[in-house]
Amino acid sequence: AQTVTQSQPEMSVQEAETVTLSCTYDTSESDYYLFWYKQPPSRQMILVIRQEAYKQQNATENRFSVNFQKAAKSFSLKISDSQLGDAAMYFCAYRGTTSGTYKYIFGTGTRLKVLA
Amino acid sequence: EAQVTQNPRYLITVTGKKLTVTCSQNMNHEYMSWYRQDPGLGLRQIYYSMNVEVTDKGDVPEGYKVSRKEKRNFPLILESPSPNQTSLYFCASSLRSSPLTYNEQFFGPGTRLTVL
Repeated sequence: AQTVTQSQPEMSVQEAETVTLSCTYDTSESDYYLFWYKQPPSRQMILVIRQEAYKQQNATENRFSVNFQKAAKSFSLKISDSQLGDAAMYFCAYRGTTSGTYKYIFGTGTRLKVLA
Repeated sequence: EAQVTQNPRYLITVTGKKLTVTCSQNMNHEYMSWYRQDPGLGLRQIYYSMNVEVTDKGDVPEGYKVSRKEKRNFPLILESPSPNQTSLYFCASSLRSSPLTYNEQFFGPGTRLTVL
């Protein structure tokens, strides 16, 4: 069974600085998707970034980028130039591609605090 | 406005009293899913549906039922709620994805359920 692990329950970063959130996963599939979701205090789930496992290039969305290490099964999120609005819970998630199964597996989350 | 709606947003009930949490989407999405979010556990998938009359279990289906009689609706039914089902529940939907294609999941606003 697939698992997703976020080992940092909480992180802090100074405004305008860079922070990296860690995520590791376990799977026997060769093709899959990985995601980072942001959950601000409003509780809304917001997709931050997505990575397809078959793509070697790391995904980037403005100030958000990932470091995808397929062999190490690692998928970290880097937030550059942190802003107060980045303060939220961040979830790493996995979705396999085995035909007929579209389960999503989420990590336990990392709460990010941004210090002014 | 394209959205996923859930009702009710907040519910306090007592053990054993059957309840239904409704989920509706107006985006003609084939895929719909229910998650529960608990502190320290992240989001866990309860059930998902690939299309009308097609449902499948996620990781934590015990104590829940679902039905998909119409494309836009995917209600979550708790036949005999217990205190361990106290949680934050999210419904999500997306266009149908094949194993190697992905369409973004859109989440509802969440339903906070307390079972006394």
